[in-house]
Amino acid sequence: AIQMTQSPSSLSASVGDRVTITCRASQGIRNDLGWYQQKPGKAPKLLIYAASSLQSGVPSRFSGSGSGTDFTLTISSLQPEDFATYYCLQDYNYPLTFGPGTKVDIK
Amino acid sequence: EVQLVESGGGLVQPGGSLRLSCAASGFTVSSNYMSWVRQAPGKGLEWVSVIYSGGSTYYADSVKGRFTISRDNSKNTLYLQMNSLRAEDTAVYYCARVGEGSYGMFDYWGQGTLVTVSS
Repeated sequence: AIQMTQSPSSLSASVGDRVTITCRASQGIRNDLGWYQQKPGKAPKLLIYAASSLQSGVPSRFSGSGSGTDFTLTISSLQPEDFATYYCLQDYNYPLTFGPGTKVDIK
Repeated sequence: EVQLVESGGGLVQPGGSLRLSCAASGFTVSSNYMSWVRQAPGKGLEWVSVIYSGGSTYYADSVKGRFTISRDNSKNTLYLQMNSLRAEDTAVYYCARVGEGSYGMFDYWGQGTLVTVSS
């Protein structure tokens, strides 16, 4: 199975900060990667698919990049509603695997 | 409007069985790939199973041989039959749709149903 790692595991940031989260796959996965945001007690929400495509309705401050094994989620200007846990997911092959998550909280 | 509503969770003893349901509206389950994803309390997300529109199925190694994904086209409902349940199967179970335009990613999720395996 493809292993997904994320860094950092948590971070503290302020409103308006630029935030970058990294996801690394244990083998090349082309651009078969998505990013999800999850708030406590809620289902995950799709932000980015195909590594860099913004899901409909998601604010443009979210962006994704990368290909192969290394991927990045960037929030250009953190907003109060962005405090949450973020997960990457590879759908290159089965079993699908999520990263362990990055919790973004308020500094 | 696309909606997914899970039901069937609850408390079950180790070794027991449970069937989860996911009622869909706003789209046709049989025309989409559909998955189950679970989340143990305080932990991350774990993919469980998928059923293709053509009927092919795949499972995580942790549930292979114990869980079965299926659907009822007449009810537009997805199921997860869980047998030989273990304590480590305790989790919130989400059903999710693979979006046609999201390159294999899950674009809609249900609210989740909690399964607790304990004696």
